[in-house]
Amino acid sequence: DTAVSQTPKYLVTQMGNDKSIKCEQNLGHDTMYWYKQDSKKFLKIMFSYNNKELIINETVPNRFSPKSPDKAHLNLHINSLELGDSAVYFCASSQDLRGADTQYFGPGTRLTVL
Amino acid sequence: AQTVTQSQPEMSVQEAETVTLSCTYDTSESNYYLFWYKQPPSRQMILVIRQEAYKQQNATENRFSVNFQKAAKSFSLKISDSQLGDTAMYFCAFSPNTGNQFYFGTGTSLTVIP
Repeated sequence: DTAVSQTPKYLVTQMGNDKSIKCEQNLGHDTMYWYKQDSKKFLKIMFSYNNKELIINETVPNRFSPKSPDKAHLNLHINSLELGDSAVYFCASSQDLRGADTQYFGPGTRLTVL
Repeated sequence: AQTVTQSQPEMSVQEAETVTLSCTYDTSESNYYLFWYKQPPSRQMILVIRQEAYKQQNATENRFSVNFQKAAKSFSLKISDSQLGDTAMYFCAFSPNTGNQFYFGTGTSLTVIP
């Protein structure tokens, strides 16, 4: 069984469009995250949700909005896509928001903005 | 601010040999957690090994072990008996005990040569 799943795996779209990436975890974890991995492979945390509450919101443009309908899902909605949004986006989850908690990652979504 | 540095962008090793990947970090926290993640070409982020800063004993997982030097803020990964399947990007990561942040290094691309 897949622990953390993301859809779609690949997303190609035009500049200015709005798109969403879905994430689901079946581990019973309380915390979920979104990361962005740029073309140089640098991974940076964008958001985390703990029990459906936003805990971290790094300096991410407000065109990015995480939405968590329940603690097993954390979707990422992106408005007015820009070329610089092209990257691989990873969803992750952990038992709780503690340093001791290992994060489990989804397979990633490669977003290409044309 | 916490930073994680991986000074080796690329490394290669002969199959069955041993290789060590370097990682240093900077923090003022006294308790924290350190991780090594592997990202093969499939893109999936996989936890390799983790270390709790308050434990002096170095973590070991089969062929993977760490050399944790807390005073030097160093956390290197040793891979013994390298296998072709070890070819991947390896990321060092840091999380403070409070758990509300997770920092990745820039990664080391490891190639195992047959």
